[in-house]
Amino acid sequence: GQQLNQSPQSMFIQEGEDVSMNCTSSSIFNTWLWYKQEPGEGPVLLIALYKAGELTSNGRLTAQFGITRKDSFLNISASIPSDVGIYFCAGRKTQGGSEKLVFGKGTKLTVNP
Amino acid sequence: GAVVSQHPSRVICKSGTSVKIECRSLDFQATTMFWYRQFPKQSLMLMATSNEGSKATYEQGVEKDKFLINHASLTLSTLTVTSAHPEDSSFYICSARAPGDRRSPLHFGNGTRLTVT
Repeated sequence: GQQLNQSPQSMFIQEGEDVSMNCTSSSIFNTWLWYKQEPGEGPVLLIALYKAGELTSNGRLTAQFGITRKDSFLNISASIPSDVGIYFCAGRKTQGGSEKLVFGKGTKLTVNP
Repeated sequence: GAVVSQHPSRVICKSGTSVKIECRSLDFQATTMFWYRQFPKQSLMLMATSNEGSKATYEQGVEKDKFLINHASLTLSTLTVTSAHPEDSSFYICSARAPGDRRSPLHFGNGTRLTVT
């Protein structure tokens, strides 16, 4: 099935550093979502983006919906150990009356204290 | 906020047996729920869309006779893996969207780790 191109695949950073990850697609999406998943658990929603160009923050997290509707980035500022996890972008589109949510392959974040 | 509960969180079964996984929306009614499958170190892949009171819609390549979906009420969808085989071992996750706002994002359950021996 279709997937989004998410990069980087993994990141190893020191506590306090800023993090940036992004997703691109050849398709246009109506909504971009960013989720975080910890081992053995389901994804938890971090930020939802609804309008092209929209820039939204949630605490130390900031995400933007690209103008072309084909990309998005997520920034984490001043990382802390509990930021460890896998971050997924997801694009949502409606096709034929049904909703489709397509996920990126994830960015695994490791934060060293 | 919207809460989706999934049960069981882990299940081990023998090859050839069937396993049922439940997905409940705890504080809202969900006419539509979604079932995903996730292999280790992989992304989530949509298996099927579960519609209350009607047949589920399966993604291409997903066997509907093997992965039976029942959405009998507005708060419960079940996924039954029939005649399970080791290759069915995976992490299964359901999701639902709170009604009323078409823009509201999906909320996910905590997943079910299925191991078929």
